[in-house]
Amino acid sequence: EAGVAQSPRYKIIEKRQSVAFWCNPISGHATLYWYQQILGQGPKLLIQFQNNGVVDDSQLPKDRFSAERLKGVDSTLKIQPAKLEDSAVYLCASSLFLLASGDQETQYFGPGTRLLVL
Amino acid sequence: QQQVKQSPQSLIVQKGGIPIINCAYENTAFDYFPWYQQFPGKGPALLIAIRPDVSEKKEGRFTISFNKSAKQFSLHIMDSQPGDSATYFCAASKHNTDKLIFGTGTRLQVFP
Repeated sequence: EAGVAQSPRYKIIEKRQSVAFWCNPISGHATLYWYQQILGQGPKLLIQFQNNGVVDDSQLPKDRFSAERLKGVDSTLKIQPAKLEDSAVYLCASSLFLLASGDQETQYFGPGTRLLVL
Repeated sequence: QQQVKQSPQSLIVQKGGIPIINCAYENTAFDYFPWYQQFPGKGPALLIAIRPDVSEKKEGRFTISFNKSAKQFSLHIMDSQPGDSATYFCAASKHNTDKLIFGTGTRLQVFP
């Protein structure tokens, strides 16, 4: 079974530029997550989709970050304009479905996109 | 109340040793506690998880101990191997949600 795919793997940009990340979840997984992992910290959830609807975006800095999941499969995360503090690894994860039985579903993570903002 | 505190930040053991990583939480609404393992350049991968209705869970060489009254849980790695060298994250989530709150991570190095 193919895992979660992300691209690009690395990106270097200057502050105030824009950048976009792409994620392809595991086939059949209805739930998709974007996490931000700053060096030395654990992943922090930015946004969660169920199919193509947003479940939770409470920690997404909406003045500069946006995300979409067209057709309930692939997703893109965009930052515009980028700030120095956005330097981090952006992880995409997917799981089968949300709360089928009240039990948590295992989240499968992609390798991440490492972003450096200069 | 949303935090999960993890310690130590780093850990060095010799092969065969039993590293122990500890986590503590405040929010009593948390009822799912997974541990994730992350190798350099890779995303985190689920290692083992526990719910508060049991005090211990074992999967292979990995054991979670859970103390509900103290609001603490820990990961023990029996007979540790150099291949276990990675960063380990504890996490927690509330019932009826799969929003994971991660600890800050522990970098484990196992020397031959």
